[in-house]
Amino acid sequence: EAGVAQSPRYKIIEKRQSVAFWCNPISGHATLYWYQQILGQGPKLLIQFQNNGVVDDSQLPKDRFSAERLKGVDSTLKIQPAKLEDSAVYLCASSLDWTGEDGYTFGSGTRLTVV
Amino acid sequence: AQSVSQHNHHVILSEAASLELGCNYSYGGTVNLFWYVQYPGQHLQLLLKYFSGDPLVKGIKGFEAEFIKSKFSFNLRKPSVQWSDTAEYFCAVNAQNTGFQKLVFGTGTRLLVSP
Repeated sequence: EAGVAQSPRYKIIEKRQSVAFWCNPISGHATLYWYQQILGQGPKLLIQFQNNGVVDDSQLPKDRFSAERLKGVDSTLKIQPAKLEDSAVYLCASSLDWTGEDGYTFGSGTRLTVV
Repeated sequence: AQSVSQHNHHVILSEAASLELGCNYSYGGTVNLFWYVQYPGQHLQLLLKYFSGDPLVKGIKGFEAEFIKSKFSFNLRKPSVQWSDTAEYFCAVNAQNTGFQKLVFGTGTRLLVSP
């Protein structure tokens, strides 16, 4: 089966600019996750969608980050304006349902560098 | 909220040495446990997972992990490592019966296997 697709793979922007990342989960996966992985740390959950609804965004810096999954399929994560500390790999993952019992599949990530 | 601790941030081994990576979690209820591996330049891949049943779980590439409920631990083991096992290893937990589960990662252990 096709994996989780993410684009772009790499992005370099200046601080205060905006950036958007795109994710297409595995077909049929109802639950989609965005993680932030800062160098030297484990992935941190930013937001979790169940179909097109947000079920957990408690760690999303909502003053600058936003995400949507309008049709319950692909998703976009946006940062506006970016700060230096946003430099990280942004991972998208999906699972069949909210239990995760069938496993989580991760995309290759987008490596963001803010200069 | 659940949290995951990985005690070893960096491990260096020679080929054929035995490996054990520690993982402890904090959550009083029922948990699902995972080990993921991230090879250089690649996305997170599932090594093994525990949901229920036999606490000794066997995964891919000769890895296994043992769930010890009384110690809140899920240590990863491999009897004889290979150079190709050089990667970063992440322990992760999601908690059952807490509404929508989310996958929480440890900080990772970077393993370097010298030939």
